[in-house]
Amino acid sequence: AQKITQTQPGMFVQEKEAVTLDCTYDTSDQSYGLFWYKQPSSGEMIFLIYQGSYDEQNATEGRYSLNFQKARKSANLVISASQLGDSAMYFCAMREGLILTGGGNKLTFGTGTQLKVEL
Amino acid sequence: EAGVTQFPSHSVIEKGQTVTLRCDPISGHDNLYWYRRVMGKEIKFLLHFVKESKQDESGMPNNRFLAERTGGTYSTLKVQPAELEDSGVYFCASSHGLAGGPKRSDTQYFGPGTRLTVL
Repeated sequence: AQKITQTQPGMFVQEKEAVTLDCTYDTSDQSYGLFWYKQPSSGEMIFLIYQGSYDEQNATEGRYSLNFQKARKSANLVISASQLGDSAMYFCAMREGLILTGGGNKLTFGTGTQLKVEL
Repeated sequence: EAGVTQFPSHSVIEKGQTVTLRCDPISGHDNLYWYRRVMGKEIKFLLHFVKESKQDESGMPNNRFLAERTGGTYSTLKVQPAELEDSGVYFCASSHGLAGGPKRSDTQYFGPGTRLTVL
Protein backbone atom coordinates (compact mmCIF):
# COMPACT_ATOMS: atom_id res chain seq x y z
CA ALA A 1 0.00 0.00 0.00
CA GLN A 2 1.24 3.47 -0.84
CA LYS A 3 2.28 5.26 2.31
CA ILE A 4 2.31 8.80 0.95
CA THR A 5 -0.28 9.82 -1.61
CA GLN A 6 -0.19 13.02 -3.57
CA THR A 7 -3.23 12.96 -5.83
CA GLN A 8 -2.47 16.12 -7.80
CA PRO A 9 0.18 15.50 -10.44
CA GLY A 10 -0.10 19.11 -11.59
CA MET A 11 -1.57 22.35 -10.25
CA PHE A 12 -1.92 25.88 -11.58
CA VAL A 13 -2.32 29.00 -9.46
CA GLN A 14 -2.45 32.68 -10.21
CA GLU A 15 0.28 34.86 -8.80
CA LYS A 16 -0.58 36.29 -5.36
CA GLU A 17 -3.23 33.69 -4.71
CA ALA A 18 -3.06 30.87 -2.18
CA VAL A 19 -2.77 27.23 -3.19
CA THR A 20 -3.16 23.95 -1.30
CA LEU A 21 -1.17 20.87 -2.23
CA ASP A 22 -2.68 17.66 -0.93
CA CYS A 23 -0.89 14.90 0.93
CA THR A 24 -2.35 11.90 2.70
CA TYR A 25 -0.34 9.30 4.53
CA ASP A 26 -0.70 5.85 5.97
CA THR A 27 1.06 4.62 9.06
CA SER A 28 0.36 2.54 12.12
CA ASP A 29 3.04 4.33 14.15
CA GLN A 30 1.97 6.84 16.79
CA SER A 31 5.18 8.77 16.31
CA TYR A 32 6.06 10.09 12.89
CA GLY A 33 7.16 13.22 11.09
CA LEU A 34 5.90 14.82 7.92
CA PHE A 35 8.04 16.95 5.63
CA TRP A 36 7.52 19.00 2.53
CA TYR A 37 10.30 19.60 0.03
CA LYS A 38 10.45 21.81 -3.04
CA GLN A 39 12.35 20.83 -6.15
CA PRO A 40 12.75 23.65 -8.71
CA SER A 41 13.79 22.95 -12.27
CA SER A 42 17.43 23.26 -11.22
CA GLY A 43 17.00 19.94 -9.41
CA GLU A 44 17.98 20.57 -5.81
CA MET A 45 15.63 19.48 -3.01
CA ILE A 46 14.80 22.31 -0.64
CA PHE A 47 13.31 21.63 2.79
CA LEU A 48 10.22 23.73 3.43
CA ILE A 49 8.37 22.67 6.54
CA TYR A 50 8.05 19.94 9.17
CA GLN A 51 5.15 18.66 11.27
CA GLY A 52 5.60 16.16 14.08
CA SER A 53 2.79 13.80 14.95
CA TYR A 54 2.79 15.08 18.52
CA ASP A 55 2.71 18.73 17.52
CA GLU A 56 -0.65 20.20 18.50
CA GLN A 57 -0.39 23.28 16.33
CA ASN A 58 -0.04 23.40 12.58
CA ALA A 59 3.47 24.23 11.47
CA THR A 60 4.14 27.52 9.72
CA GLU A 61 7.26 28.84 7.97
CA GLY A 62 6.79 32.21 6.33
CA ARG A 63 4.36 31.79 3.44
CA TYR A 64 4.18 28.05 3.99
CA SER A 65 1.82 26.40 6.42
CA LEU A 66 0.89 22.81 6.97
CA ASN A 67 -2.77 21.90 7.45
CA PHE A 68 -2.34 18.85 9.65
CA GLN A 69 -5.43 16.74 10.22
CA LYS A 70 -4.27 13.74 12.17
CA ALA A 71 -7.56 11.84 12.23
CA ARG A 72 -7.83 12.10 8.47
CA LYS A 73 -4.11 11.39 8.04
CA SER A 74 -3.61 14.39 5.86
CA ALA A 75 -0.82 16.97 5.82
CA ASN A 76 -1.63 19.48 3.13
CA LEU A 77 0.81 22.26 2.26
CA VAL A 78 -0.66 25.73 1.91
CA ILE A 79 1.34 28.36 0.07
CA SER A 80 0.01 31.87 0.53
CA ALA A 81 0.55 34.78 -1.84
CA SER A 82 2.07 32.62 -4.59
CA GLN A 83 5.09 33.94 -6.44
CA LEU A 84 6.51 33.00 -9.83
CA GLY A 85 9.47 31.49 -8.03
CA ASP A 86 7.16 28.99 -6.33
CA SER A 87 6.82 27.12 -9.63
CA ALA A 88 8.41 23.76 -8.85
CA MET A 89 7.77 20.13 -7.97
CA TYR A 90 6.64 19.65 -4.38
CA PHE A 91 7.17 16.42 -2.47
CA CYS A 92 5.50 15.26 0.71
CA ALA A 93 7.52 12.80 2.79
CA MET A 94 7.10 10.86 6.02
CA ARG A 95 9.48 9.50 8.60
CA GLU A 96 7.92 6.76 10.71
CA GLY A 97 8.75 6.07 14.33
CA LEU A 98 10.81 7.92 16.85
CA ILE A 99 14.32 8.94 15.99
CA LEU A 100 16.55 5.97 16.69
CA THR A 101 19.25 6.38 19.25
CA GLY A 102 21.78 6.14 16.49
CA GLY A 103 20.14 8.70 14.25
CA GLY A 104 17.22 9.43 11.95
CA ASN A 105 14.95 7.19 9.97
CA LYS A 106 14.47 6.98 6.25
CA LEU A 107 11.95 9.14 4.43
CA THR A 108 9.14 7.77 2.30
CA PHE A 109 8.13 10.12 -0.49
CA GLY A 110 5.02 10.76 -2.51
CA THR A 111 5.12 11.07 -6.28
CA GLY A 112 5.06 14.86 -6.13
CA THR A 113 2.89 17.71 -7.40
CA GLN A 114 4.12 20.01 -10.16
CA LEU A 115 3.01 23.54 -9.33
CA LYS A 116 2.91 26.26 -11.97
CA VAL A 117 2.39 29.86 -10.90
CA GLU A 118 0.91 32.05 -13.62
CA LEU A 119 0.75 35.83 -14.04
CA GLU B 1 27.53 27.05 6.26
CA ALA B 2 28.02 24.88 3.18
CA GLY B 3 25.19 22.59 2.20
CA VAL B 4 25.33 19.00 1.04
CA THR B 5 27.44 18.69 -2.08
CA GLN B 6 27.50 15.91 -4.64
CA PHE B 7 29.88 15.05 -7.41
CA PRO B 8 29.55 14.69 -10.32
CA SER B 9 26.38 16.54 -11.22
CA HIS B 10 25.95 14.41 -14.32
CA SER B 11 27.43 11.11 -15.43
CA VAL B 12 26.87 9.27 -18.68
CA ILE B 13 28.32 5.77 -18.89
CA GLU B 14 27.82 2.63 -20.89
CA LYS B 15 26.23 -0.52 -19.58
CA GLY B 16 28.80 -2.63 -17.80
CA GLN B 17 30.99 0.25 -16.75
CA THR B 18 31.62 1.42 -13.21
CA VAL B 19 30.59 4.74 -11.73
CA THR B 20 31.35 6.24 -8.35
CA LEU B 21 29.22 9.00 -6.89
CA ARG B 22 30.44 11.16 -4.04
CA CYS B 23 28.55 13.01 -1.33
CA ASP B 24 29.90 15.52 1.19
CA PRO B 25 27.39 16.09 4.00
CA ILE B 26 26.91 19.24 6.01
CA SER B 27 29.75 19.56 8.47
CA GLY B 28 28.88 18.02 11.83
CA HIS B 29 26.03 15.87 10.52
CA ASP B 30 26.37 12.29 11.70
CA ASN B 31 23.58 10.93 9.52
CA LEU B 32 24.01 10.48 5.80
CA TYR B 33 21.40 9.05 3.46
CA TRP B 34 21.30 7.99 -0.17
CA TYR B 35 18.10 8.13 -2.22
CA ARG B 36 17.33 7.52 -5.87
CA ARG B 37 14.65 8.74 -8.24
CA VAL B 38 14.18 6.67 -11.34
CA MET B 39 12.38 8.45 -14.18
CA GLY B 40 8.69 8.87 -13.46
CA LYS B 41 8.84 7.14 -10.11
CA GLU B 42 8.95 8.41 -6.56
CA ILE B 43 12.14 9.07 -4.65
CA LYS B 44 13.26 5.86 -2.96
CA PHE B 45 15.53 5.33 0.03
CA LEU B 46 18.73 3.37 -0.56
CA LEU B 47 20.68 3.43 2.68
CA HIS B 48 21.57 5.32 5.83
CA PHE B 49 24.89 5.83 7.58
CA VAL B 50 25.40 6.93 11.14
CA LYS B 51 28.94 8.19 11.14
CA GLU B 52 30.86 5.42 9.39
CA SER B 53 28.41 2.61 10.15
CA LYS B 54 25.59 1.42 7.94
CA GLN B 55 22.41 1.81 9.99
CA ASP B 56 19.95 0.69 7.34
CA GLU B 57 20.71 -0.59 3.87
CA SER B 58 17.31 -2.12 3.19
CA GLY B 59 16.79 -0.03 0.06
CA MET B 60 19.91 -1.09 -1.79
CA PRO B 61 18.62 -2.77 -4.96
CA ASN B 62 21.31 -5.45 -5.34
CA ASN B 63 24.95 -6.24 -4.77
CA ARG B 64 26.06 -4.14 -7.70
CA PHE B 65 25.70 -1.15 -5.40
CA LEU B 66 28.35 -0.50 -2.77
CA ALA B 67 28.29 2.45 -0.39
CA GLU B 68 31.07 3.52 1.93
CA ARG B 69 31.64 6.28 4.40
CA THR B 70 35.19 5.99 5.57
CA GLY B 71 36.00 8.11 8.59
CA GLY B 72 32.40 9.20 8.94
CA THR B 73 32.78 12.18 6.63
CA TYR B 74 32.08 11.95 2.91
CA SER B 75 30.40 8.96 1.32
CA THR B 76 30.75 7.21 -2.00
CA LEU B 77 28.23 5.10 -3.86
CA LYS B 78 29.69 2.78 -6.46
CA VAL B 79 27.67 1.01 -9.11
CA GLN B 80 29.54 -1.89 -10.67
CA PRO B 81 28.66 -3.00 -13.29
CA ALA B 82 26.04 -0.44 -14.24
CA GLU B 83 22.82 -1.57 -15.90
CA LEU B 84 20.28 0.41 -17.92
CA GLU B 85 17.76 0.42 -15.05
CA ASP B 86 20.26 2.18 -12.80
CA SER B 87 19.65 5.43 -14.67
CA GLY B 88 18.12 8.12 -12.52
CA VAL B 89 18.94 10.89 -10.11
CA TYR B 90 20.85 9.92 -6.99
CA PHE B 91 20.35 12.20 -4.02
CA CYS B 92 22.37 12.38 -0.88
CA ALA B 93 21.01 13.92 2.32
CA SER B 94 22.39 14.54 5.77
CA SER B 95 20.92 15.27 9.18
CA HIS B 96 22.32 16.20 12.53
CA GLY B 97 21.38 13.13 14.52
CA LEU B 98 21.03 12.87 18.26
CA ALA B 99 20.62 16.46 19.40
CA GLY B 100 17.17 17.49 20.58
CA GLY B 101 15.65 14.24 21.75
CA PRO B 102 13.58 11.54 20.05
CA LYS B 103 10.73 13.83 18.99
CA ARG B 104 12.87 16.34 17.14
CA SER B 105 12.53 16.76 13.42
CA ASP B 106 16.08 15.71 12.52
CA THR B 107 15.44 17.30 9.15
CA GLN B 108 17.31 15.80 6.23
CA TYR B 109 18.97 18.34 3.95
CA PHE B 110 19.49 17.22 0.41
CA GLY B 111 22.26 17.76 -2.08
CA PRO B 112 21.64 18.75 -5.69
CA GLY B 113 21.76 15.15 -6.90
CA THR B 114 23.78 13.28 -9.49
CA ARG B 115 21.99 12.50 -12.72
CA LEU B 116 23.22 9.10 -13.91
CA THR B 117 22.53 7.93 -17.44
CA VAL B 118 23.45 4.39 -18.41
CA LEU B 119 23.46 3.78 -22.17
